[in-house]
Amino acid sequence: NAGVTQTPKFQVLKTGQSMTLQCAQDMNHNSMYWYRQDPGMGLRLIYYSASEGTTDKGEVPNGYNVSRLNKREFSLRLESAAPSQTSVYFCASSEIRWRDRGQYEQFFGPGTRLTVL
Amino acid sequence: GQQLNQSPQSMFIQEGEDVSMNCTSSSIFNTWLWYKQDPGEGPVLLIALYKAGELTSNGRLTAQFGITRKDSFLNISASIPSDVGIYFCAGVSYSSGSARQLTFGSGTQLTVLP
Repeated sequence: NAGVTQTPKFQVLKTGQSMTLQCAQDMNHNSMYWYRQDPGMGLRLIYYSASEGTTDKGEVPNGYNVSRLNKREFSLRLESAAPSQTSVYFCASSEIRWRDRGQYEQFFGPGTRLTVL
Repeated sequence: GQQLNQSPQSMFIQEGEDVSMNCTSSSIFNTWLWYKQDPGEGPVLLIALYKAGELTSNGRLTAQFGITRKDSFLNISASIPSDVGIYFCAGVSYSSGSARQLTFGSGTQLTVLP
């Protein structure tokens, strides 16, 4: 199992250009997430998808759109890139595992390093 | 929104020393998670805590879910060079459906000196 995969690993854009970040998971998880990571700020949630066919805004959704293409794939699109979107982007997936109580884990991909000039 | 205060921001320790870091919040969380991030990689889950007062160990790592549900700490005993990385706490809020939103702390950068 590859877990969570992301493409590309690195990308440089000019202001105003568009691009789509791809994410796929092979763990049959229902929920998928997109985060951005900036120095000294931890990870912030951009969008998430609780299940196939649904998407919801997270903490910092402005300037982004998402598509839950199927259960495996969740893409993040920048329609008109801005320098403020220079960041490392992480995709994650999760599934609730119930035992004697609710348990929760998110599994992260390796990240996409995006620079907007 | 919810915020987590993680401290310290960075630590420089000698190999073999013990390490302690913590997270505090003004909000209650249902679950606390501790992740480690190696350079150029995504975060990897170390320990998950589901109940107030819970103390859980994973090898040399020990973490506790604060009794007030507003804090958690992580201890690393007898540090080794491969412990180097950024450690993140995360609090989990239960929302509708099956998705669970994480609120991350800003991270503790750990450096282990030989």
